[in-house]
Amino acid sequence: DARVTQTPRHKVTEMGQEVTMRCQPILGHNTVFWYRQTMMQGLELLAYFRNRAPLDDSGMPKDRFSAEMPDATLATLKIQPSEPRDSAVYFCASGLVVGAGSSPLHFGNGTRLTVT
Amino acid sequence: AQSVTQLGSHVSVSEGALVLLRCNYSSSVPPYLFWYVQYPNQGLQLLLKYTTGATLVKGINGFEAEFKKSETSFHLTKPSAHMSDAAEYFCAVSDLTGNQFYFGTGTSLTVIP
Repeated sequence: DARVTQTPRHKVTEMGQEVTMRCQPILGHNTVFWYRQTMMQGLELLAYFRNRAPLDDSGMPKDRFSAEMPDATLATLKIQPSEPRDSAVYFCASGLVVGAGSSPLHFGNGTRLTVT
Repeated sequence: AQSVTQLGSHVSVSEGALVLLRCNYSSSVPPYLFWYVQYPNQGLQLLLKYTTGATLVKGINGFEAEFKKSETSFHLTKPSAHMSDAAEYFCAVSDLTGNQFYFGTGTSLTVIP
């Protein structure tokens, strides 16, 4: 069963440190989304990619967050410097868009980030 | 932009009772519609989806949802709740390009023994 893989599952870091979260989308999927989930805000879209190109990253704080897809099998989300308010669960999801149709998103199990 | 409204952030039902979770969307063009379930410490899992065709969609774990264009609704139902159904449920819509997925705020389902 194909899955989206996210690493690490848990990350505890101190304020000011750099955090890198990784995502391996399902092989063959051409769209990758990054979401952040908190109790207060629910699911927030941070960024998404199509064929490795960023289509929208308007949901990300630009001064500290960056998202990339170095290749089709890896998406990264970096926070530098991290702040306590960044504490959340970060989800990666992938999907396949072909022509006028799209598939459902498939989610990873998330990275639970705690910034102290 | 589209939006998704889930009425009721918390729903409690007795084991064996009907489950009804409500979802309304705003869109001038019928979008693709999805229901996802999230168990503790896990990601979202697809329950069911509507793209085209039959408006009553059956999903996993005995859930189903009906797309009603006139009501812009996509409510999720299950005839008989099971303890294992306790989870967070999210309704989502996407435009036909797949460029945007919009999620509701979620409904937490509690099943009372």
